Amino acid sequence: DIQMTQSPSSLSAFVGDRVTITCRASQGIGNDLAWFQQKPGKAPKFLIYAASSLQSGVPSKFSGSGYGTDFTLTISSLQPEDFATYYCHQYNTYPLTFGGGTKVEI
Amino acid sequence: EVQLVESGGALVQPGGSLRLSCAASGFTLSTYWMSWVRQAPGKGLEWVANIKQDGIEKYYVDSVKGRFTISRDNAENSLYLQMNSLRAEDTAVYYCARGLGSSTGRGDYWGQGTLVTVSS
Repeated sequence: DIQMTQSPSSLSAFVGDRVTITCRASQGIGNDLAWFQQKPGKAPKFLIYAASSLQSGVPSKFSGSGYGTDFTLTISSLQPEDFATYYCHQYNTYPLTFGGGTKVEI
Repeated sequence: EVQLVESGGALVQPGGSLRLSCAASGFTLSTYWMSWVRQAPGKGLEWVANIKQDGIEKYYVDSVKGRFTISRDNAENSLYLQMNSLRAEDTAVYYCARGLGSSTGRGDYWGQGTLVTVSS
């Protein structure tokens, strides 16, 4: 199975900060990586696919990059509504797997 | 508007069975892979199963193989998860999602989730 390791597991930031979350795959997955945002008690929200493609309707302050084993999610200017947990997800190989999550706190 | 609505979650004893349903609307179910994903209390996301458009090709996470069965009824716009031999570690909110892992959908829509609690 492909293990997805996110870092950090949590971070504290201020409104307006630039935030970067890292996701590492245990083996190469090309660009078969997605990012999701989840707020407490809510379903995950789809943000990015193919490592860097923004889902329709997602603000451009979110961006993704990477290929192979190392990926990043960047939020350019953190806003109050961005405080949430973020998950990376590989869909290169079954079983599909998620990272452990990064909780972004105020 | 695309909507996915799960139902069927309940409190069940270890070893028991449960069938979850996901009602799809606002899109043509037969053109998408569909998925079940679960989240144990306070934990991260875990993919459970995928089913292809025709209902024949299916994939499962190892921990549920032989116990869970994913199925679909495209005519009824519904996705199902039959869960047998339930264990305490199956306790989670179960989400249905559209097309996780496929080139269409990719997990772009999720239901609100239904809670399954396995306890005596």
